[in-house]
Amino acid sequence: DAGITQSPRHKVTETGTPVTLRCHQTENHRYMYWYRQDPGHGLRLIHYSYGVKDTDKGEVSDGYSVSRSKTEDFLLTLESATSSQTSVYFCAIRSSGGATDTQYFGPGTRLTVL
Amino acid sequence: DAKTTQPNSMESNEEEPVHLPCNHSTISGTDYIHWYRQLPSQGPEYVIHGLTSNVNNRMASLAIAEDRKSSTLILHRATLRDAAVYYCILRVTYNNNDMRFGAGTRLTVKP
Repeated sequence: DAGITQSPRHKVTETGTPVTLRCHQTENHRYMYWYRQDPGHGLRLIHYSYGVKDTDKGEVSDGYSVSRSKTEDFLLTLESATSSQTSVYFCAIRSSGGATDTQYFGPGTRLTVL
Repeated sequence: DAKTTQPNSMESNEEEPVHLPCNHSTISGTDYIHWYRQLPSQGPEYVIHGLTSNVNNRMASLAIAEDRKSSTLILHRATLRDAAVYYCILRVTYNNNDMRFGAGTRLTVKP
């Protein structure tokens, strides 16, 4: 258990509204990630962070922004939600040690945009 | 990252061993072989990883071919709780980028 929580776990919102998802970790890992998972696409990286205030884009970053003002929190914001952003969102942290790394995932947030 | 090929689905009987194959013919010398699984309605979960030698942990064993072009995840005694999608992923050492999850293998365990 890597101590990752996501909030909210479920959210229904309307097109055009802003939405913020929160990922919280308790173990001071430097790297944090946001993925989305859709049928037929598997998991795709949205954004990731390699430290406080250090973030970078992933494969599907359009329409999303992120912020990391504290090590433990990584926020994903949909500035103006669209129906195409209906998905399950997973946060992950990277645990480094030894010659390679492993990622540990949170429980997910199911977002529905009507 | 190099690509992996896995069967779409497999079935197993409860309490029998399961061998989940993965082909990675374009693997490079610095690629580690990782396996993750995703139980229904949960996030992916790390299972095991290896480079060249076979690996064992409390969850599974990983058998890596001598030429490293394929590997097999072995669940020694499948339980109903092992029903999940299993992903084989190649990862270079300390790559800053994401893990590329393919479609994986959906394992069904029959009682």
